[in-house]
Amino acid sequence: DTEVTQTPKHLVMGMTNKKSLKCEQHMGHRAMYWYKQKAKKPPELMFVYSYEKLSINESVPSRFSPECPNSSLLNLHLHALQPEDSALYLCASSVYYSGTGTYEQYFGPGTRLTVT
Amino acid sequence: GENVEQHPSTLSVQEGDSAVIKCTYSDSASNYFPWYKQELGKRPQLIIDIRSNVGEKKDQRIAVTLNKTAKHFSLHITETQPEDSAVYFCAASINSGTYKYIFGTGTRLKVLA
Repeated sequence: DTEVTQTPKHLVMGMTNKKSLKCEQHMGHRAMYWYKQKAKKPPELMFVYSYEKLSINESVPSRFSPECPNSSLLNLHLHALQPEDSALYLCASSVYYSGTGTYEQYFGPGTRLTVT
Repeated sequence: GENVEQHPSTLSVQEGDSAVIKCTYSDSASNYFPWYKQELGKRPQLIIDIRSNVGEKKDQRIAVTLNKTAKHFSLHITETQPEDSAVYFCAASINSGTYKYIFGTGTRLKVLA
C-alpha cells in the first residue's frame, strides 16, 4: 500500500457537534501530520507526530485534538468548531532518509469540512 | 524563522511553451526542497524534489535547479500541456529533527490550448 487515506471525504457539522477525522497509512512512515488548507492558500501545519508522539503543535486551538493510536493511524477530534474552521484538512506522512537527513512527505486526499 | 517566497502567483503560457516558477528561502540551513502540484479539489502531489548537495535534477519534462549561494530554487516545465494546469507549491525543509516544511504561497499555472 503506497497511499495515505482519509475518511470521511466530506463532513458538515454544527458548532456544537463532536466529530473525528481519520487518517491511515501502511507505508511504515513514522511521522504523520495534520494540515489545514484554505482555498487558494498553501497547506498550514497544525500537528506533527513522530514515532506516535506529538512533536509539534503549531499553537492550534484546543477545539482541535489530535490522537495517534498507533504508527499507522492518526485522528483529529473536533469539538465546538467555528465557521471559520471550514477548510480542507489534509493528513500527510513522511519517510526519513538517514543518508541525507531529509523527509519526503505524502498527502492524503483530504476531508472537506464545513462548519455551520 | 524560515520564510519561503514564491513567484509568480499566477502564470499563463501557451501549450508547448516552457514555464518557470521561482522560490527563495531565508534559512541557509534548509537542505531539502520539494515541489507539489495540486489540481482543483485534489491532494498536493510530490512531483520532484532536490537536496542541497545537488544543483539540478530532471524528470522527463520537469526539472528543478538549486542555487544555495543565492538561496533560491526553481521549477522548470518544458513542452507544457493542458494537464499541467494546477497550483504548484514549493517548500523548504531543515534537517533539525522537526519534520517541518515551510511552503511557498503557490503559483497558479494555466496552460492555454
